Amino acid sequence: AQSVTQLGSHVSVSEGALVLLRCNYSSSVPPYLFWYVQYPNQGLQLLLKYTSAATLVKGINGFEAEFKKSETSFHLTKPSAHMSDAAEYFCAVSHSSNTGKLIFGQGTTLQVKP
Amino acid sequence: SQTIHQWPATLVQPVGSPLSLECTVEGTSNPNLYWYRQAAGRGLQLLFYSVGIGQISSEVPQNLSASRPQDRQFILSSKKLLLSDSGFYLCAWRLAGGGTKNIQYFGAGTRLSVL
Repeated sequence: AQSVTQLGSHVSVSEGALVLLRCNYSSSVPPYLFWYVQYPNQGLQLLLKYTSAATLVKGINGFEAEFKKSETSFHLTKPSAHMSDAAEYFCAVSHSSNTGKLIFGQGTTLQVKP
Repeated sequence: SQTIHQWPATLVQPVGSPLSLECTVEGTSNPNLYWYRQAAGRGLQLLFYSVGIGQISSEVPQNLSASRPQDRQFILSSKKLLLSDSGFYLCAWRLAGGGTKNIQYFGAGTRLSVL
């Protein structure tokens, strides 16, 4: 069965500092991997996706993630945090292109301090 | 371009009352459709998905049901709400078959409070 684990339900960084949000997955087949961001009381917005092309994936708003098969990880990073990055971030995995079902991690709330 | 609409944005309902949340997609045909629930302090849980009109798959046993009466309309319902039905409900769509991107696009959500 597939699962996603996001280490750290809350992460706090200072403005301008590196952002690192961790995601580990389990999947018996090559997965599709996604990072979504959710601002308060809003839906989810896709940040980036991995679909077996390049292992380093660049997304919107300066975020990127690296797929590491040996570590079953897909950590999200951003070199310099902005106040506007404060939100909840979800990692998700899907292996079925037929149904497209997504399995989400529990989410990580990112706080950015001035 | 494609858009997804959910309504209402917020809803307060008494225990035991019925529920109907609606989701519609514009700008595409035969989308895959999904209902998720996000409970307070928890991640998103897939409730139902549909690959076509009248085709509903339920992921977890619960007090809710879903229907797809039209190609781009997805409805989440309950006959009698429970306190545990409170949460943030999100509808999402995806191109049929996923294509090379296999991306789901989400609506703005409905916050349901059952009192």
